[in-house]
Parts: sequence; structure tokens; C-alpha cells
Amino acid sequence: GAVVSQHPSWVICKSGTSVKIECRSLDFQATTMFWYRQFPKQSLMLMATSNEGSKATYEQGVEKDKFLINHASLTLSTLTVTSAHPEDSSFYICSAREGVRETDTQYFGPGTRLTVL
Amino acid sequence: AQSVAQPEDQVNVAEGNPLTVKCTYSVSGNPYLFWYVQYPNRGLQFLLKYITGDNLVKGSYGFEAEFNKSQTSFHLKKPSALVSDSALYFCAVRDFSGSARQLTFGSGTQLTVLP
Repeated sequence: GAVVSQHPSWVICKSGTSVKIECRSLDFQATTMFWYRQFPKQSLMLMATSNEGSKATYEQGVEKDKFLINHASLTLSTLTVTSAHPEDSSFYICSAREGVRETDTQYFGPGTRLTVL
Repeated sequence: AQSVAQPEDQVNVAEGNPLTVKCTYSVSGNPYLFWYVQYPNRGLQFLLKYITGDNLVKGSYGFEAEFNKSQTSFHLKKPSALVSDSALYFCAVRDFSGSARQLTFGSGTQLTVLP
């Protein structure tokens, strides 16, 4: 199957700092990428959907000024957590859809563990 | 609104025995259904999907799932479980008749295969 990478795999930062997470589709072009958040032993919660070259669509309750998403190319999307606080500590997972049809499969990255001290 | 239910938080099965992980869904139109597996501290790995056609879908690692429209179910199965199958399994649905275009995930089922 298609491969999606994330970097870094884990990050620890101080409260008030910003953290950038990269998501790359390694062997396919992804017009659409997704960012999810997962709390321990819980399901994935969609944060936002990003389309290459346009603004991301955020889910209700997700602060767009706090979670900045950039999808500058067909293989790269970034999530920046601005002015991070301890409550932002979580497992962040990106996903990329292979192909342009909505029946195409979404492939997921390995996730990034963010810990805010 | 579309939704997915995984009624069992935990499933235990002995190695070599068949396993079933249950999933039911609710959508307003035709569902597109997916199964993913997650190992500790890792992202989700795609197992299989149902779009249309044969109700029995075969996927990776010997897993299969059966789409049952009348029961609105899409249970994941494997004839003979391996210890390495122990992981967290997620069912997901996408409804293409309405405005929703995103995957909606179930709450997950922790599968433990006992040696």
C-alpha cells in the first residue's frame, strides 16, 4: 500500500512554544490530506481537511488560529500547534488520500506524540 | 449523520481460533466501509474496504469482512488468529449520499490473541 510519513515521531516542548509536524506522502500525490487527534484508548477525531493549494477546512470546535495547517504541495502538509499548552498534549495522526476519488483509500502516517510541559 | 458502532471494547481469542470483531453502521445512503488496525504508538494501517460488489471482502494479513446491508453490519473476521494480530481495530464509514465526505471512526476494539 501507499506510504505516509510523519516527522517528528515524538516531541516534547515547553508551554507557550510552537511545534510543527510534517506529513508526507512518499509514493503518491495526495490532493487531500487529513489531520486527526487521538487521546489514549480513544478513537480518532478529525481536526481538519486540507486540500493542496487552498485553505484547510476545520471541524467544529477546532481553533484554526491555534492549529495552523499548510498544504503547499501534493506530497506535504504541515500542522503547527501554536502557543502550545499541556492540554494540547496528544497523539496527532495525519492521513492522505491516494487518488482524487472519494472511494480511494486513506492511508495514515505513524503519528506524532506531542507532550507539552 | 453517519455513525459507526463497535459494541465490544475488548475481544479475547485463543491463538488458532477464529476471530470476529463486530461493526455496525448508520448512514443515509450507500456506505463505503473500511477496517484499519493500529499497533501501540503507531498510526493506522489499512486492512480492507467495501465499496460495492461482492459482500465478502478479503484484505491484508488474512483478514476478511462481510458486508450485510440488512443488518447494517461489516464484521471483521479471520479463520485462525495469530498472537501478532493483537492490536486495536477500527471500523470506519463514509457516506456518499449526503454532505459528509469524511471518514467516521468507531470507538475501536482491542483484540488480544492469547498463546
